[in-house]
Amino acid sequence: QKEVEQDPGPLSVPEGAIVSLNCTYSNSAFQYFMWYRQYSRKGPELLMYTYSSGNKEDGRFTAQVDKSSKYISLFIRDSQPSDSATYLCAMSKAAGNKLTFGGGTRVLVKP
Amino acid sequence: GAVVSQHPSWVICKSGTSVKIECRSLDFQATTMFWYRQFPKQSLMLMATSNEGSKATYEQGVEKDKFLINHASLTLSTLTVTSAHPEDSSFYICSASGTSGSDTQYFGPGTRLTVL
Repeated sequence: QKEVEQDPGPLSVPEGAIVSLNCTYSNSAFQYFMWYRQYSRKGPELLMYTYSSGNKEDGRFTAQVDKSSKYISLFIRDSQPSDSATYLCAMSKAAGNKLTFGGGTRVLVKP
Repeated sequence: GAVVSQHPSWVICKSGTSVKIECRSLDFQATTMFWYRQFPKQSLMLMATSNEGSKATYEQGVEKDKFLINHASLTLSTLTVTSAHPEDSSFYICSASGTSGSDTQYFGPGTRLTVL
């Protein structure tokens, strides 16, 4: 069993819909949680960075962390075709430490 | 802020040659740099972690003599693929973390290596 599980998708939604992504993990030592967006043949781009449990909002993006359930989520409101990409969750045990990635979820927003 | 660059963005080389990839943090000092490789439709696989001025720490299964990492300054790390073979063809991505206000990792744009 992988330390971080993420549905590979593809997840297809119409433009304007809410995109809901999630990851589950098994190691309770993870304290820092991140979401990255990766376009084809490009490096990952940091979207959200949270520490411990709780919610964080930034523009159209909301990240949620539930450490008791070992479950993290990312919501994208008012989705646009430009949001079509692979979304990777990542987590670490300490700040600046190596990241453990989920496998990525491919998202397709249709105009 | 928190911009990481890589050079070259793509490279094609003959089997048996060595290739050097540079990773630079442009607007912050990177105390730690990480090197990943990524195969098509797969997630990132960590190869090694390097701290400025010290030897890199390689992940299990990664040949340290084949993938030479140098982190000579707080803004530059290099990955040299020695005696490259076709199975080394992949997308190599670096990331850096440091003192930019957050300790998370910021990624470079990646380097596509094709070994003929």
